Amino acid sequence: QVQLKESGPGLVQPSQTLSLTCTVSGLSLTSNSVSWIRQPPGKGLEWMGVIWSNGGTDYNSAIKSRLSISRDTSKSQVFLKMNSLQTEDTAMYFCARDTMGITYWGQGVMVTVSS
Amino acid sequence: DIQMTQSPSVLSASVGDRVTLSCKASQNINKNLDWYQQKLGEAPKLLIYFTNNLQTGIPSRFSGSGSGTDYTLTISSLQPEDVATYYCYQYNSGNTFGAGTKLELK
Repeated sequence: QVQLKESGPGLVQPSQTLSLTCTVSGLSLTSNSVSWIRQPPGKGLEWMGVIWSNGGTDYNSAIKSRLSISRDTSKSQVFLKMNSLQTEDTAMYFCARDTMGITYWGQGVMVTVSS
Repeated sequence: DIQMTQSPSVLSASVGDRVTLSCKASQNINKNLDWYQQKLGEAPKLLIYFTNNLQTGIPSRFSGSGSGTDYTLTISSLQPEDVATYYCYQYNSGNTFGAGTKLELK
């Protein structure tokens, strides 16, 4: 049974760095790609970036300078780090298996950027 | 970057109606397009991948078509449980979601 679960702080101060973890079970990170997708309250979906099964990464050009995605295959975890957070980064953050479509999604973690 | 334009933004339809949602890309995306359904408070769900392939477990009333820059999601007979927001998503060059079409019951 494939499961993804996001974890991280619910509140981040402006200008600080967001660190999120996606813990995966039921699939291998060396055979599957994982994307991060976010959704501001009441708004649409934004693809943030992907870590491919070979460990390579691609990022949304709009946030590329602030974003880093990495993984620890031994722990079945994928990490997101984004710096210089602003209020407009307030959103639900999802990790998802991105192979032949985004087929499995985590429940999401709500991150609020506020002082 | 490729822009995805969905229309209409809101669609009201009756149970049993045939419903068509559109998605237009700013350039050719070579059928590299999925459709997702998101119900209130839930994570999105994959309906259609690579333009016209029905994801396992999705009812056959959902279908996708298109090529080049123009793509369509069709629901052949609208059911109450289809009330949701629908997003197209291209992965031909970069990855981009459309802004969504909110489907309501009339």
